[in-house]
Amino acid sequence: ETGVTQTPRHLVMGMTNKKSLKCEQHLGHNAMYWYKQSAKKPLELMFVYSLEERVENNSVPSRFSPECPNSSHLFLHLHTLQPEDSALYLCASSQDGGDRSSYEQYFGPGTRLTVT
Amino acid sequence: LAKTTQPISMDSYEGQEVNITCSHNNIATNDYITWYQQFPSQGPRFIIQGYKTKVTNEVASLFIPADRKSSTLSLPRVSLSDTAVYYCLVGGMDSNYQLIWGAGTKLIIKP
Repeated sequence: ETGVTQTPRHLVMGMTNKKSLKCEQHLGHNAMYWYKQSAKKPLELMFVYSLEERVENNSVPSRFSPECPNSSHLFLHLHTLQPEDSALYLCASSQDGGDRSSYEQYFGPGTRLTVT
Repeated sequence: LAKTTQPISMDSYEGQEVNITCSHNNIATNDYITWYQQFPSQGPRFIIQGYKTKVTNEVASLFIPADRKSSTLSLPRVSLSDTAVYYCLVGGMDSNYQLIWGAGTKLIIKP
């Protein structure tokens, strides 16, 4: 096990729904990430939190809203999604080292999201 | 931003050594090169990371030439369970979390 859990594992939602994805890491890490993985495309980094502060937001549409209440938990709030948002959403964590030069990410199993 | 390019797919046979190369012509000075393995319905799993020359661990070796514009992941004596998608990642925290993932190489190991 990687020590990173995600719930739910599968989610089907309509375009008018509001839902949230949850991620929890049990590794004592201080950085957490949200990625989007679509078929036949590279992983897309969506958000990064380091020490509970958002440090990266890669031009993600506002219908995706992250929340990091503490270093162990990360949420992705979803509202008014589009069918093209259907994908595997992966959470990861890492230990942000003092020299900020390298890292190793630990991933959860992902949430398979389908927008109808 | 460094763009990474890797082969879409590769086939090999059990017991063989497999080498997967990733090109990253615009790699930045502070970027590290990291390789991950992903099985269906799972998140990627860290394999190995390096900055230059050669790095070896219990599962793989990573070769990085002096110009760092490419890297090669070497898997010794593969087995059927090594069938997976392998991703090359260039970046690091120093580059303000500009993490550029390759599209992945689907490796199929045959008996």
